[in-house]
Amino acid sequence: DAKTTQPPSMDCAEGRAANLPCNHSTISGNEYVYWYRQIHSQGPQYIIHGLKNNETNEMASLIITEDRKSSTLILPHATLRDTAVYYCIVMPGNTGKLIFGQGTTLQVKP
Amino acid sequence: SQTIHQWPATLVQPVGSPLSLECTVEGTSNPNLYWYRQAAGRGLQLLFYSVGIGQISSEVPQNLSASRPQDRQFILSSKKLLLSDSGFYLCAWRARGDTQYFGPGTRLTVL
Repeated sequence: DAKTTQPPSMDCAEGRAANLPCNHSTISGNEYVYWYRQIHSQGPQYIIHGLKNNETNEMASLIITEDRKSSTLILPHATLRDTAVYYCIVMPGNTGKLIFGQGTTLQVKP
Repeated sequence: SQTIHQWPATLVQPVGSPLSLECTVEGTSNPNLYWYRQAAGRGLQLLFYSVGIGQISSEVPQNLSASRPQDRQFILSSKKLLLSDSGFYLCAWRARGDTQYFGPGTRLTVL
């Protein structure tokens, strides 16, 4: 079973920041938080991951709470092409075994 | 740079027929390889993973099998397809301790 909880759907206006929350209250000390997204009929796309510290790359920012029980993925300026299902996954450091939940369907609207 | 290929992109097969889906990775050596399936309207489920040639771990009991005959080749097979085998099959690769990347997938319809 997935170890994360995400809202099933969210809307965001084009050009605004999209903030996608994820709860992972049972996360262990050696487990990373990964975010992927899946655009319809395509393979999942890696976005970002982190362990303790906040992370930023060209796609998004990942904010992890100090107790690591929740995190937020931030898309700073959402576009229509960001419409997708976003998956938050916790994974032990070296297993590579991703357990996907139902994710959040983000709809970016013009 | 690394590239992952899957073929075919789509496949329609009758119930009871055999299946062979192929996945190859370029630009890396000794990757971990994974097969996932996504049934219609559902999330992705890990089916098999491999840490090396000939080494296969199965995550769920099913009608499918996997093989890794070469370092960068991963094959998903079935002797007799069931209707419930329909879905979107995704191969993924991962270098040691690094992020996992997915291929474009094969959409299988069993009729």
